[in-house]
Parts: sequence; C-alpha cells; structure tokens
Amino acid sequence: DAGVIQSPRHEVTEMGQEVTLRCKPISGHDYLFWYRQTMMRGLELLIYFNNNVPIDDSGMPEDRFSAKMPNASFSTLKIQPSEPRDSAVYFCASRPLPEGRQGYYGYTFGSGTRLTVV
Amino acid sequence: AQSVAQPEDQVNVAEGNPLTVKCTYSVSGNPYLFWYVQYPNRGLQFLLKYITGDNLVKGSYGFEAEFNKSQTSFHLKKPSALVSDSALYFCAVRDPRSNDYKLSFGAGTTVTVRA
Repeated sequence: DAGVIQSPRHEVTEMGQEVTLRCKPISGHDYLFWYRQTMMRGLELLIYFNNNVPIDDSGMPEDRFSAKMPNASFSTLKIQPSEPRDSAVYFCASRPLPEGRQGYYGYTFGSGTRLTVV
Repeated sequence: AQSVAQPEDQVNVAEGNPLTVKCTYSVSGNPYLFWYVQYPNRGLQFLLKYITGDNLVKGSYGFEAEFNKSQTSFHLKKPSALVSDSALYFCAVRDPRSNDYKLSFGAGTTVTVRA
C-alpha cells in the first residue's frame, strides 16, 4: 500500500493564477479529508467526502476554493484565483468505514503540498 | 462539540530525560483520542490511540499516553527522549457518537530534544 499520495509536493504560483492540488486516497478508504496547515491557524479541516460525496464544506474559506472527488481514487482541491494568504501546506487524509475495521480509528495523511503564492 | 487543547507551544528536554507533552480534551461522552507526530516537511504520522480499555496505551517509537477521565487529559510520554524525537506533536479527539468521523486537532506542540 503506497499510502495517501498527494501531488505536487511543492507549488509556487503567482497571485491570480489557478492552482489544483491532487490526492489519491488509500484504496478502500471511504472518507477523504482536506486540511490546511498554517503557522497562524494550525490544522484546519476544509472539506471532507464520504463515498465521493462532499459531506461538510463549512471549512472552505471562501468561494475561491472548490473540491471535487470524481471517483473513489482521486480528489482535487482547486483555488481560483489564488492569493498570497492561501500560502500553506495542504494535507489530504483518508480512512475506511466502518470504524474499527482492521483496527482503524484515525486517519492516514499524505505528505502534503506546500503552496506558495507570490 | 469536541476540542483539544495543547497548553504548551514548545517543550525542550535534554536527550535521555523524560518527555511529556500535555493534552486536555472536551467531549460530551467518552472520547476517542489520538496522538500524531509531524517531522519537518512530512505529513502527520499516527503514534497511538485510546479507544477503550486500559488507560495506558503504548504506541510507536517508545511513546505512551495515559487517559485520565477525571482530568480530561491524554498526556503523551516517553521515558527517555532522543534527539530524533524532535518534531511537532498533535493531539486529536473524536466523539464516537458523532457520525461525521471528523477529528479535532490541537494547535500542536513543538518538541526539541537537545543532545
């Protein structure tokens, strides 16, 4: 199992450009979460999906952010247009259902995408 | 509502000394509790969890944590710290009665172990 795979690892873009972050969850995991990490705000949950359906997007900061999960093995987080304050590390995490299956209760995180908007 | 607090932004210890990272939680019922560690430029890695049963749980890399219901705490401990334990540590909680499976994370505690 390759774990949760995120791409790219680093992204530098200019203000106003569109940015797309990608995530491949662990096969068989039903839930996918997108988090943002900054020094000021720590780890923030942006949105999560269950069986490819967005369940809670209340953490998405504004309309410039959108997320999709077209199938069980792929999700994107898009920022359009990007702004310097979007600079952060974006993490994707996944988990299986039901809880407790194979002793699983928490999440598995990807390595993150470090986004810098200049 | 569920939340955790990590009262210390930083913990500094000498190698070989005991290490404690504090966490308190707020959940209506019995919590699920977790510790994660983040090394520089890496994602969060699972260390250990408390779900039910023995209040003392053991995890990866020699870490353990003690669930204390009366004090609503779940402090992370290691008897003898290593320089390689220097990292950012997160406590997290989930209310198992919730159907949304969301974890609430603390702000994190930076641990520095000096040689």
